[in-house]
Amino acid sequence: NAGVTQTPKFQVLKTGQSMTLQCAQDMNHNSMYWYRQDPGMGLRLIYYSASEGTTDKGEVPNGYNVSRLNKREFSLRLESAAPSQTSVYFCASSEGGAADGGTEAFFGQGTRLTVV
Amino acid sequence: AQSVTQLGSHVSVSEGALVLLRCNYSSSVPPYLFWYVQYPNQGLQLLLKYTSAATLVKGINGFEAEFKKSETSFHLTKPSAHMSDAAEYFCAVSPPYNQGGKLIFGQGTELSVKP
Repeated sequence: NAGVTQTPKFQVLKTGQSMTLQCAQDMNHNSMYWYRQDPGMGLRLIYYSASEGTTDKGEVPNGYNVSRLNKREFSLRLESAAPSQTSVYFCASSEGGAADGGTEAFFGQGTRLTVV
Repeated sequence: AQSVTQLGSHVSVSEGALVLLRCNYSSSVPPYLFWYVQYPNQGLQLLLKYTSAATLVKGINGFEAEFKKSETSFHLTKPSAHMSDAAEYFCAVSPPYNQGGKLIFGQGTELSVKP
C-alpha cells in the first residue's frame, strides 16, 4: 500500500537553483495538493489540482509552479529557490470532486528542503 | 474566508490524564472539520472528521471531538493520555461545496505526555 509517494525526502539547494518535487498517488484520487509546513504556521496550501487537467493557486503560490502530469502525478517546481522557501513540503491527495468538501486527504512523508 | 484557530501551541499532560486540544473555526456556514495527527518526521494521518452526520465524532486511538455550532468549536479530547499520544495535532476545515476538497489548517498543537 504505497498511498502517496514523494521524492526526494531531503534536498539542499543553493539560492537561485531550480528543482522539481515529485508526487504520485496510487488511490485513483481526483484531487491532489501541495502544502508547506513551517513552525508555528501549520500547513499552508501552495497549489492544488481539483481534477486531472486543472490547477489552482492556494494561499502561498508565489515562487512555485505545478504540473498535473496525469491523474496519478502532481509535481511542484521551484524555478529560482530562495532561503524563504526552506520548509517541509507535503503532497496530499483525496477523492475530492467538484461538490464535496468532506473527503479525507492522504499525505506523503514530506520533503525537507533547505535553501542556503 | 474560512479560518481555524488552535488555542495553545504546546500542551503538556501527565500519562493517564485528560487530553483537551482546542479548535475554533470561523465560517458563515458549518464546514467539514478534521483532526489530523503528525508523529515526528512523518506525514499527517486522519484522527477523525465531522461531516454533519453526528455532533460527537469518535476517531482512532480513543480520541473524540464534539462539534458545537453555537461556539464554533471542534475540540479534541481523550480521557486518558498515553505516552504514544505525544505528537503534533492539527485541526482543519474544508468549506462545503469546495471544489477539490482543499483543507485549511490551524497552526498546530504539540502534545507532550509526561510519565
